[in-house]
Amino acid sequence: QTVVTQEPSFSVSPGETVTLTCALSSGPVSSTHYPSWYQQTPGQTPRTLVYSTNTRSSGVPDRFSGSRVGNKAVLTITGVQAEDESDYFCAFYLPSGLSVFGGGTKLTVL
Amino acid sequence: EVQLVESGGGLVQPGGSLRLSCATSGFSFSSYWMNWVRQAPGKGLEWVANIKPDGSGKYYAESVQGRFTISRDSAQNSVSLQMNSLRVDDTAVYFCTRALTTAPHWGQGILVIVSS
Repeated sequence: QTVVTQEPSFSVSPGETVTLTCALSSGPVSSTHYPSWYQQTPGQTPRTLVYSTNTRSSGVPDRFSGSRVGNKAVLTITGVQAEDESDYFCAFYLPSGLSVFGGGTKLTVL
Repeated sequence: EVQLVESGGGLVQPGGSLRLSCATSGFSFSSYWMNWVRQAPGKGLEWVANIKPDGSGKYYAESVQGRFTISRDSAQNSVSLQMNSLRVDDTAVYFCTRALTTAPHWGQGILVIVSS
C-alpha cells in the first residue's frame, strides 16, 4: 500500500516563503503521478490550488506554485499571508488507477 | 459554472447500506474521471473510489474494496456510491470530486454517520 508523507506542521511568519513537500513511499514522484495540492480550513470544502504538478487552479493567487524537486512534489507559498493559515493536502494518481492523499500539513502563520 | 451536488447521506446503523448520489453540471461529464473522497471527523482526506469517463474502469481504496461500488450515469450526468456493510469507521463527510488529475473540482460534501 502506497503511503504519502507530508510534514505534519509548519510555522511561518507573514511575508516569508514556505515550501511544503509530499513524498511517495513507492519511489520518486513523476509527472505521471499528477501531483495536486488542496487547501482546507476547518469546516470548509477543500479548495484546489495546483494540479498536474504545476498548473494553478482558476482564481488561485500566483504566490502559490507547484513543482517537483528531487523525488518529491512541492508546494511553495511565496510571501505568506495570514489568510494562508490552513491545512494543505497533496494527492497523487497511481499507475494502478488508484489515488492517494497525504496526511496533510497544518500551516500556522505566526 | 461547474457544480457537483451530493445527496443521500444520513444516519445508518452498522452493517447497513446507503447510496450517495452526485449531480453534476457545467462541464462535459463524459470526458472526466469522477472520484469519491471522504474525511472522517477531525481527520485528513481519504480517497475512496474513482471511475473512468466511460465507466469501463473502477478502482477502490483497500478500506472499502468489496463493500462500496461506484457507478455513473452519462444520461443524468451523475455519479453514485453504493455503500454496503457500513462500519462505524465509515463515518465521514463524503465529497464528490471531478478528476483529481485534471482541474479538480469539489462538491460541498455530504455527511454519513454510521452509529447504533
